[in-house]
Amino acid sequence: AIRMTQSPSSLSASTGDRVTITCRASQGISSYLAWYQQKPGKAPKLLIYAASTLQSGVPSRFSGSGSGTDFTLTISCLQSEDFATYYCQQYYSYPRTFGQGTKLEIK
Amino acid sequence: QLQLQESGPGLVKPSETLSLTCTVSGGSISSSSYYWGWIRQPPGKGLEWIGSIYYSGSTYYNPSLKSRVTISVDTSKNQFSLKLSSVTAADTAVYYCAGGRVLDYWGQGTLVTVSS
Repeated sequence: AIRMTQSPSSLSASTGDRVTITCRASQGISSYLAWYQQKPGKAPKLLIYAASTLQSGVPSRFSGSGSGTDFTLTISCLQSEDFATYYCQQYYSYPRTFGQGTKLEIK
Repeated sequence: QLQLQESGPGLVKPSETLSLTCTVSGGSISSSSYYWGWIRQPPGKGLEWIGSIYYSGSTYYNPSLKSRVTISVDTSKNQFSLKLSSVTAADTAVYYCAGGRVLDYWGQGTLVTVSS
């Protein structure tokens, strides 16, 4: 199975900050990577797929980049509603695997 | 816009079989453009992919659960289902159904507790 490793595991930031979360795959996955946002008690929400394609309705302050084994999710100007846990997931091969999550907290 | 809704018992006894159904509305479960899956999340932990099924009926399972998992689809009801046998307390989690071209659409999740 492909292992997905996110860093950091947690992150404190302030509204208006620019933050970057990284995701590394244990082997190449081309661009078959998705990013999800999850708020407490809610289902995950797809933000980005194909490593850099913004899902419809997702604010443009979210962006993704990378291919192969190294990927990043960037939030350009944090808003209060962005404080949540973020997961990456590869869909290059089965079994599908998620990163362990990055909890973004208010500083 | 697809909508997914999980249903099933919230409490299952150890060694029994967990059964959940996901009802899809707003689109056809038989669409060749979509695939469907189950994901779970133990309390306070991360997401674990359980398995997926395609419109063709092809299934893929997490190797760590493969011996206990069955995912099936009922096109007449626009539903797909999860069965997980021989459950233990370690299977206590919120279970989500999801689907789409990637996992675009998610159900709200249902907490299943394994306890006697």
